Amino acid sequence: QKEVEQNSGPLSVPEGAIASLNCTYSDRGSQSFFWYRQYSGKSPELIMSIYSNGDKEDGRFTAQLNKASQYVSLLIRDSQPSDSATYLCAGRPSATGTASKLTFGTGTRLQVTL
Amino acid sequence: NAGVTQTPKFRILKIGQSMTLQCTQDMNHNYMYWYRQDPGMGLKLIYYSVGAGITDKGEVPNGYNVSRSTTEDFPLRLELAAPSQTSVYFCASSPSPGYGYTFGSGTRLTVV
Repeated sequence: QKEVEQNSGPLSVPEGAIASLNCTYSDRGSQSFFWYRQYSGKSPELIMSIYSNGDKEDGRFTAQLNKASQYVSLLIRDSQPSDSATYLCAGRPSATGTASKLTFGTGTRLQVTL
Repeated sequence: NAGVTQTPKFRILKIGQSMTLQCTQDMNHNYMYWYRQDPGMGLKLIYYSVGAGITDKGEVPNGYNVSRSTTEDFPLRLELAAPSQTSVYFCASSPSPGYGYTFGSGTRLTVV
């Protein structure tokens, strides 16, 4: 079982709609989760971090964490063509100690259509 | 503020050659990491460092070596390049546990 799992997509949403990206994780002790956006041929860019159960909002982005269900999601409101990218979910497993090593999912490709 | 700088951006190596991928950060981060990214496979950790003089293996260390003589620099050495090392390599840094990473722009390596 992969430690962090994502549907590879592509997820296609029309411009202006809400995009919902999901991620599950296997390590129940994981404490920190991150969403990265990666444009084709570019490096990952941190867009959201979440540490406790519930929602965290930043502009058009909302991250949701449900530790009981071991589930993390990213909502993008008013999706724009510029949001078209691959979104990587990452978690910090409990066994990582002080090294802060992140485990990444394989990413979900989002396509925002006009 | 340059962040994390990687050089070179592209490189073609012949089988059996060696090279060093350079990574430097100007954010005074103690934690630095090397990942490789293959299509459909996600990011895999090669080596990491929690401070100058301290390094440790990640998930896929075979064929690679690192050193960390200063806080700023974390070079990755490839010895005896093999086609399986064709990949995109990312260096990243973090200020402390629990924080996300800042990634460099990557090095696209092809071994032929």
